[in-house]
Amino acid sequence: QVQLQESGPGLVKPSETLSLTCTVSGGSMRSYYWSWIRQSPEKGLESIGFIFYSGSTNYNPSLGSRVSMSIDTSKNQFSLRLSSVSAADTAIYYCARRKGGGYYYDVWGQGTLVTVSS
Amino acid sequence: EVVLTQSPAILSLSPGERATLSCRASQSVSNSLAWYQQRPGQAPRLLIYDASNRATGIPARFSGSGSGTDFTLTITRLEPEDFAVYYCQQRYNSTFGQGTRLELK
Repeated sequence: QVQLQESGPGLVKPSETLSLTCTVSGGSMRSYYWSWIRQSPEKGLESIGFIFYSGSTNYNPSLGSRVSMSIDTSKNQFSLRLSSVSAADTAIYYCARRKGGGYYYDVWGQGTLVTVSS
Repeated sequence: EVVLTQSPAILSLSPGERATLSCRASQSVSNSLAWYQQRPGQAPRLLIYDASNRATGIPARFSGSGSGTDFTLTITRLEPEDFAVYYCQQRYNSTFGQGTRLELK
């Protein structure tokens, strides 16, 4: 059974870069899109983007050039970087799996709260 | 951008009753709609995909219907663990609805 686990700092200062990693266990990363989704009371659930196991990416246009993702299939990990953060980026960040060719998320990590504050 | 509107915002029911939740899309999404359940302190869990297909391990009391712009999630005979927040999500820009909170009456 595939499991996902997010890791990274829970507190980030304004204007700095948020970095999170998701570790995949119990299955292969091949043929799936590996995604980041965040949730806040203000915006609800928001898709940040995804990365295919081959490395191709697709990001939410609303985040512009602030977001980037990478993948290391040898370590069964993928990562999120969000630059120039502000209080509006405070949220629970989830990593999730999305089937190739699909759109829905069938496996989720437990989520990690990231607070942007000085 | 496709916008999903869920109704009602809050639904108050008792165990054993039937729940009917609605999700309306601002333009057609064909059958590319999923439903999720989120319990307090947990990540969302996939219930239904492609409007009417139950995900692995989801009980038969959960069913989905609809196509185009109007979709429904039905829960027959509510169990205590079903009281949670439910979200719909569509394919075209992966947006989610704002959620329906199913609460104990």
